[in-house]
Amino acid sequence: ETGVTQTPRHLVMGMTNKKSLKCEQHLGHNAMYWYKQSAKKPLELMFVYSLEERVENNSVPSRFSPECPNSSHLFLHLHTLQPEDSALYLCASSQDVGPRETQYFGPGTRLLVL
Amino acid sequence: DQQVKQNSPSLSVQEGRISILNCDYTNSMFDYFLWYKKYPAEGPTFLISISSIKDKNEDGRFTVFLNKSAKHLSLHIVPSQPGDSAVYFCAASDGYSSASKIIFGSGTRLSIRP
Repeated sequence: ETGVTQTPRHLVMGMTNKKSLKCEQHLGHNAMYWYKQSAKKPLELMFVYSLEERVENNSVPSRFSPECPNSSHLFLHLHTLQPEDSALYLCASSQDVGPRETQYFGPGTRLLVL
Repeated sequence: DQQVKQNSPSLSVQEGRISILNCDYTNSMFDYFLWYKKYPAEGPTFLISISSIKDKNEDGRFTVFLNKSAKHLSLHIVPSQPGDSAVYFCAASDGYSSASKIIFGSGTRLSIRP
Protein backbone atom coordinates (compact mmCIF):
# COMPACT_ATOMS: atom_id res chain seq x y z
CA GLU A 1 0.00 0.00 0.00
CA THR A 2 1.23 3.45 -0.81
CA GLY A 3 0.07 6.93 0.09
CA VAL A 4 -2.87 7.46 2.40
CA THR A 5 -5.54 4.80 2.78
CA GLN A 6 -8.92 5.04 4.46
CA THR A 7 -11.37 2.38 5.54
CA PRO A 8 -14.21 1.88 5.14
CA ARG A 9 -14.86 3.72 1.90
CA HIS A 10 -18.59 3.84 2.56
CA LEU A 11 -20.50 3.66 5.84
CA VAL A 12 -24.17 3.80 6.72
CA MET A 13 -25.02 4.08 10.38
CA GLY A 14 -27.95 4.83 12.60
CA MET A 15 -27.95 7.67 15.08
CA THR A 16 -27.43 5.30 18.01
CA ASN A 17 -24.56 3.35 16.47
CA LYS A 18 -20.88 3.58 17.32
CA LYS A 19 -18.43 3.23 14.48
CA SER A 20 -14.83 4.16 13.70
CA LEU A 21 -13.10 5.48 10.61
CA LYS A 22 -9.51 4.42 10.04
CA CYS A 23 -6.72 6.20 8.22
CA GLU A 24 -3.22 4.93 7.55
CA GLN A 25 -0.36 6.77 5.87
CA HIS A 26 2.61 5.01 4.34
CA LEU A 27 4.63 8.17 3.65
CA GLY A 28 6.62 8.49 6.87
CA HIS A 29 4.87 11.76 7.69
CA ASN A 30 4.61 13.30 11.14
CA ALA A 31 1.30 15.14 10.80
CA MET A 32 -2.19 13.79 10.16
CA TYR A 33 -5.52 15.54 9.66
CA TRP A 34 -9.26 14.87 9.57
CA TYR A 35 -11.44 16.96 7.27
CA LYS A 36 -15.18 16.97 6.68
CA GLN A 37 -16.64 17.79 3.27
CA SER A 38 -20.38 18.35 3.12
CA ALA A 39 -22.16 18.69 -0.20
CA LYS A 40 -21.21 21.90 -2.04
CA LYS A 41 -19.28 23.20 0.96
CA PRO A 42 -15.57 23.72 1.47
CA LEU A 43 -13.43 21.16 3.23
CA GLU A 44 -13.60 21.83 6.96
CA LEU A 45 -10.60 21.01 9.10
CA MET A 46 -11.63 18.97 12.13
CA PHE A 47 -8.47 17.76 13.86
CA VAL A 48 -4.72 17.99 13.44
CA TYR A 49 -2.16 15.66 15.00
CA SER A 50 1.58 16.16 15.06
CA LEU A 51 3.69 13.27 16.30
CA GLU A 52 0.61 11.71 17.86
CA GLU A 53 -0.32 14.86 19.78
CA ARG A 54 -3.44 16.82 18.93
CA VAL A 55 -2.45 20.36 17.94
CA GLU A 56 -5.75 21.68 16.69
CA ASN A 57 -9.39 21.00 17.44
CA ASN A 58 -11.75 23.15 15.44
CA SER A 59 -14.78 23.29 17.72
CA VAL A 60 -15.88 19.86 16.65
CA PRO A 61 -18.81 18.28 18.56
CA SER A 62 -17.79 15.68 21.11
CA ARG A 63 -19.67 12.98 19.20
CA PHE A 64 -16.53 12.93 17.03
CA SER A 65 -13.54 11.57 18.93
CA PRO A 66 -10.12 11.30 17.25
CA GLU A 67 -7.35 8.92 18.22
CA CYS A 68 -3.78 8.82 16.97
CA PRO A 69 -1.97 5.78 18.41
CA ASN A 70 1.14 6.37 16.31
CA SER A 71 2.26 8.67 13.52
CA SER A 72 1.03 6.29 10.82
CA HIS A 73 -2.51 5.70 12.07
CA LEU A 74 -5.43 8.00 12.76
CA PHE A 75 -8.93 7.05 13.84
CA LEU A 76 -12.17 8.97 14.07
CA HIS A 77 -14.59 7.41 16.51
CA LEU A 78 -18.24 8.22 15.88
CA HIS A 79 -21.13 7.94 18.32
CA THR A 80 -24.69 9.25 18.44
CA LEU A 81 -24.28 11.11 15.17
CA GLN A 82 -26.94 13.27 13.57
CA PRO A 83 -28.18 13.14 9.96
CA GLU A 84 -26.40 16.45 9.27
CA ASP A 85 -23.11 14.67 9.97
CA SER A 86 -23.54 12.80 6.69
CA ALA A 87 -20.57 13.87 4.58
CA LEU A 88 -17.29 12.78 3.03
CA TYR A 89 -14.61 12.44 5.70
CA LEU A 90 -11.10 12.90 4.37
CA CYS A 91 -7.86 12.04 6.08
CA ALA A 92 -4.61 13.72 5.08
CA SER A 93 -0.98 13.68 6.11
CA SER A 94 2.01 15.96 5.67
CA GLN A 95 5.67 15.73 6.51
CA ASP A 96 5.22 18.17 9.37
CA VAL A 97 2.61 20.63 10.56
CA GLY A 98 2.90 24.00 8.88
CA PRO A 99 1.16 26.37 6.46
CA ARG A 100 3.58 25.52 3.65
CA GLU A 101 3.31 21.77 4.01
CA THR A 102 1.76 19.87 1.13
CA GLN A 103 -1.01 17.64 2.40
CA TYR A 104 -1.61 14.23 0.89
CA PHE A 105 -5.20 13.06 1.05
CA GLY A 106 -6.80 9.66 1.27
CA PRO A 107 -9.81 8.74 -0.87
CA GLY A 108 -12.26 9.50 1.92
CA THR A 109 -15.05 7.69 3.73
CA ARG A 110 -18.53 8.59 2.57
CA LEU A 111 -20.74 8.50 5.65
CA LEU A 112 -24.52 8.41 5.69
CA VAL A 113 -26.30 8.81 9.02
CA LEU A 114 -29.90 7.64 9.05
CA ASP B 1 -18.53 33.56 6.16
CA GLN B 2 -16.20 31.84 3.72
CA GLN B 3 -12.68 33.24 3.62
CA VAL B 4 -11.88 31.50 0.34
CA LYS B 5 -14.52 31.68 -2.37
CA GLN B 6 -14.83 29.93 -5.67
CA ASN B 7 -17.89 31.54 -7.17
CA SER B 8 -18.16 29.30 -10.22
CA PRO B 9 -19.33 25.84 -9.19
CA SER B 10 -18.72 24.52 -12.69
CA LEU B 11 -16.88 25.33 -15.91
CA SER B 12 -16.93 23.69 -19.33
CA VAL B 13 -14.03 24.21 -21.74
CA GLN B 14 -13.25 22.75 -25.14
CA GLU B 15 -10.23 20.50 -25.38
CA GLY B 16 -7.14 22.42 -26.46
CA ARG B 17 -8.42 25.77 -25.20
CA ILE B 18 -7.45 27.59 -22.02
CA SER B 19 -9.24 26.85 -18.75
CA ILE B 20 -9.30 29.67 -16.20
CA LEU B 21 -10.45 28.90 -12.69
CA ASN B 22 -10.92 31.80 -10.30
CA CYS B 23 -10.67 32.19 -6.56
CA ASP B 24 -11.20 35.15 -4.23
CA TYR B 25 -10.18 35.50 -0.62
CA THR B 26 -11.06 37.92 2.14
CA ASN B 27 -8.29 37.48 4.71
CA SER B 28 -5.41 39.83 3.95
CA MET B 29 -3.18 37.76 6.26
CA PHE B 30 -3.16 34.83 3.83
CA ASP B 31 0.34 34.51 2.43
CA TYR B 32 0.38 31.13 0.74
CA PHE B 33 -2.06 29.77 -1.79
CA LEU B 34 -2.57 26.32 -3.24
CA TRP B 35 -4.64 24.52 -5.82
CA TYR B 36 -5.74 20.94 -5.37
CA LYS B 37 -7.38 18.69 -7.93
CA LYS B 38 -9.88 15.96 -7.12
CA TYR B 39 -11.11 13.10 -9.25
CA PRO B 40 -14.27 11.19 -8.26
CA ALA B 41 -13.69 8.54 -5.58
CA GLU B 42 -10.21 9.90 -4.89
CA GLY B 43 -8.84 12.38 -2.40
CA PRO B 44 -7.62 15.83 -3.47
CA THR B 45 -4.08 15.94 -4.83
CA PHE B 46 -1.77 18.92 -4.70
CA LEU B 47 -1.36 20.71 -8.02
CA ILE B 48 0.50 24.00 -7.64
CA SER B 49 1.14 26.70 -5.06
CA ILE B 50 2.22 30.32 -4.86
CA SER B 51 3.67 32.47 -2.12
CA SER B 52 2.45 36.00 -1.63
CA ILE B 53 5.87 37.36 -2.54
CA LYS B 54 5.23 36.24 -6.12
CA ASP B 55 2.51 37.08 -8.60
CA LYS B 56 2.96 34.12 -10.90
CA ASN B 57 4.06 30.52 -10.67
CA GLU B 58 4.21 28.16 -13.62
CA ASP B 59 4.49 24.39 -13.78
CA GLY B 60 4.08 22.90 -17.22
CA ARG B 61 0.55 23.53 -18.48
CA PHE B 62 -0.51 25.01 -15.14
CA THR B 63 0.04 28.64 -14.11
CA VAL B 64 -1.26 30.34 -11.02
CA PHE B 65 -1.59 34.12 -10.91
CA LEU B 66 -1.94 36.10 -7.71
CA ASN B 67 -3.34 39.63 -7.50
CA LYS B 68 -2.88 40.66 -3.89
CA SER B 69 -4.53 44.06 -4.21
CA ALA B 70 -7.68 42.41 -5.54
CA LYS B 71 -7.35 39.40 -3.23
CA HIS B 72 -7.78 37.21 -6.26
CA LEU B 73 -5.97 34.25 -7.71
CA SER B 74 -6.54 32.22 -10.82
CA LEU B 75 -5.38 28.92 -12.23
CA HIS B 76 -4.75 28.74 -15.96
CA ILE B 77 -4.54 25.39 -17.74
CA VAL B 78 -3.36 25.49 -21.31
CA PRO B 79 -3.92 23.55 -23.42
CA SER B 80 -6.80 21.83 -21.62
CA GLN B 81 -6.88 18.04 -21.90
CA PRO B 82 -9.62 15.48 -21.15
CA GLY B 83 -7.70 14.28 -18.08
CA ASP B 84 -8.05 17.76 -16.60
CA SER B 85 -11.76 17.13 -15.98
CA ALA B 86 -11.98 17.19 -12.18
CA VAL B 87 -12.97 19.37 -9.25
CA TYR B 88 -10.40 22.05 -8.45
CA PHE B 89 -10.07 23.45 -4.94
CA CYS B 90 -8.40 26.73 -4.14
CA ALA B 91 -6.84 26.95 -0.67
CA ALA B 92 -5.01 29.52 1.40
CA SER B 93 -3.03 29.63 4.59
CA ASP B 94 -1.82 32.22 7.04
CA GLY B 95 1.56 31.28 8.48
CA TYR B 96 1.36 33.77 11.30
CA SER B 97 -1.86 33.09 13.18
CA SER B 98 -2.21 29.36 12.70
CA ALA B 99 0.60 26.98 11.92
CA SER B 100 -1.57 24.19 10.68
CA LYS B 101 -4.74 25.49 9.10
CA ILE B 102 -5.36 25.61 5.37
CA ILE B 103 -8.70 27.16 4.34
CA PHE B 104 -10.31 25.58 1.30
CA GLY B 105 -12.83 26.92 -1.17
CA SER B 106 -15.89 24.91 -2.16
CA GLY B 107 -14.43 23.84 -5.51
CA THR B 108 -15.06 24.31 -9.22
CA ARG B 109 -15.96 21.33 -11.38
CA LEU B 110 -14.07 21.57 -14.68
CA SER B 111 -15.33 19.59 -17.65
CA ILE B 112 -13.23 19.37 -20.79
CA ARG B 113 -15.37 18.61 -23.82
CA PRO B 114 -13.98 17.11 -27.03
